[in-house]
Amino acid sequence: RKEVEQDPGPFNVPEGATVAFNCTYSNSASQSFFWYRQDCRKEPKLLMSVYSSGNEDGRFTAQLNRASQYISLLIRDSKLSDSATYLCVVMSYGGSQGNLIFGKGTKLSVKP
Amino acid sequence: NAGVTQTPKFQVLKTGQSMTLQCAQDMNHNSMYWYRQDPGMGLRLIYYSASEGTTDKGEVPNGYNVSRLNKREFSLRLESAAPSQTSVYFCASLDRGSSYEQYFGPGTRLTVT
Repeated sequence: RKEVEQDPGPFNVPEGATVAFNCTYSNSASQSFFWYRQDCRKEPKLLMSVYSSGNEDGRFTAQLNRASQYISLLIRDSKLSDSATYLCVVMSYGGSQGNLIFGKGTKLSVKP
Repeated sequence: NAGVTQTPKFQVLKTGQSMTLQCAQDMNHNSMYWYRQDPGMGLRLIYYSASEGTTDKGEVPNGYNVSRLNKREFSLRLESAAPSQTSVYFCASLDRGSSYEQYFGPGTRLTVT
């Protein structure tokens, strides 16, 4: 099983739609979780951290399910500007990979 | 406050040539990273430096060397470039103080012919 897995998409949705992405991770000792956003030909940027109790930032909601080892990102009322690739990132302490493991990303395309 | 800067932005090399990618951060972060990103492969860690004076291999270190020159600067060197090293290279630094947010530079697009 790969360390961090995401559905690559693309998810093609109309403006105003609600879309959800899931990400699974294999290391049960993982301790911190993040969603990053990457626009085409640009660097990744932090979208939001994911807390155990779940958290919301405007139209974006992130959830963590430790028992099933997955995190999710929900985007409500999609905008054209939400079109990007969303990267799931899992952080574990110790290990040989500098602690942060990136998923390959899920591509979202929001259409008019 | 420039964040993470990388030079050059673009580079074309011939097979066998060498070059150094430069990275600097002004956020006083201890940890710095070099990644490569290829289509369909996601971000893959080449090397990282947990603190000044230390470096460690990541997932794909072959063909690369790094130097943590000081707390601000972390360079990546290709000694003998190969076409398989054609990629986009990102440098990043990590805030271990509070948010654990990783900050990325704008990337270097390298083509090896």
